[in-house]
Amino acid sequence: DAGVIQSPRHEVTEMGQEVTLRCKPISGHNSLFWYRQTMMRGLELLIYFNNNVPIDDSGMPEDRFSAKMPNASFSTLKIQPSEPRDSAVYFCASSFPGLGYNEQFFGPGTRLTVL
Amino acid sequence: DAKTTQPPSMDCAEGRAANLPCNHSTISGNEYVYWYRQIHSQGPQYIIHGLKNNETNEMASLIITEDRKSSTLILPHATLRDTAVYYCIVRVRGGGADGLTFGKGTHLIIQP
Repeated sequence: DAGVIQSPRHEVTEMGQEVTLRCKPISGHNSLFWYRQTMMRGLELLIYFNNNVPIDDSGMPEDRFSAKMPNASFSTLKIQPSEPRDSAVYFCASSFPGLGYNEQFFGPGTRLTVL
Repeated sequence: DAKTTQPPSMDCAEGRAANLPCNHSTISGNEYVYWYRQIHSQGPQYIIHGLKNNETNEMASLIITEDRKSSTLILPHATLRDTAVYYCIVRVRGGGADGLTFGKGTHLIIQP
């Protein structure tokens, strides 16, 4: 059981550059979530998908952020252009209906630093 | 809109029971209490959830008061590896697979 896989684990980029974070949910899970964690704001939900369809993107901070889920086994979170205030740890999580969606399984996170 | 209130930090001696309180005085009838924890530099991890009855699993026990306005997570024999931030979350069960709303949680420090 590989768990939720995120890549890269660390990303350092310069302001203005495009950043793409990737997530592979656990096989068989049909819900996928993107969260962001900073010291100031804690853990925040950005967007989530059910069956590859975006359900709620109200947490996406602004138009510079976009997320896609082209198939059940892959999702991306893109920031274009990136800004220093986007520096954070980004977590991906997945869940499935078998346990009533009670448990979300989180990946190890991607630590993003925008200089 | 914080639905839960937790102390910011707690200490517990290794081997003792750690009791983490959570207040959720505005909980609705169809809302469950969930607990997650986040060990340093890792993603959050599900611990347990409950509606009104006490619950126990291999990780912890959850005690919910009769009026459901507060609950306590109990780690029966705390180890150093239990040092983490513990989040109490109120949500509708499954919630249509919606996202989690995290508060600030309680930073539990297990002392050797």
